[in-house]
Amino acid sequence: EPEVTQTPSHQVTQMGQEVILRCVPISNHLYFYWYRQILGQKVEFLVSFYNNEISEKSEIFDDQFSVERPDGSNFTLKIRSTKLEDSAMYFCASTGGSYNSPLHFGNGTRLTVT
Amino acid sequence: KQEVTQIPAALSVPEGENLVLNCSFTDSAIYNLQWFRQDPGKGLTSLLLIQSSQREQTSGRLNASLDKSSGRSTLYIAASQPGDSATYLCAVEKNFNKFYFGSGTKLNVKP
Repeated sequence: EPEVTQTPSHQVTQMGQEVILRCVPISNHLYFYWYRQILGQKVEFLVSFYNNEISEKSEIFDDQFSVERPDGSNFTLKIRSTKLEDSAMYFCASTGGSYNSPLHFGNGTRLTVT
Repeated sequence: KQEVTQIPAALSVPEGENLVLNCSFTDSAIYNLQWFRQDPGKGLTSLLLIQSSQREQTSGRLNASLDKSSGRSTLYIAASQPGDSATYLCAVEKNFNKFYFGSGTKLNVKP
């Protein structure tokens, strides 16, 4: 069964550094997402992306964050000037785009900011 | 803003029991509701998706119901097995492609 893949599985970075989290969504999917889960908290929506542009973003997704689909297969989340509170599990997800398409998640990237 | 609540937060049952996990949401204007399973350190696996026009969905030993007007959904697991041990998350699609998650129910099925 096709799956969403994310790399790396674990990223450690120092405060103030930039990180790029990578995702390869399911190939025929049209909508792409980033969610995050801070340890012990709920999974939170960050951003959705369709047709090469952001379709919706949460209040968390400020100027520190950006997303890109550089080559038609990868979908990246860039976090500039990381802060301690950015430490979380970041999940990429994709759907086929119709109203009854389930959301498919990757296994996540655990980001640790020290 | 949509708030999603799951009860109980944790549940421990002996193998073979039937069990019900509960999910409630504050805004009944939703597109879909989806149940997920999350294993420790892993991603989320989709179990069942119920469209807002549907009342229930079934997959194997799992049955999910939806009462949109009262803002409730239940996930019924029949004949539970140790392999069912995981955290079960309920997610409500309030706007198209934006999901709100509950905190989950951590299930432990004892052999």
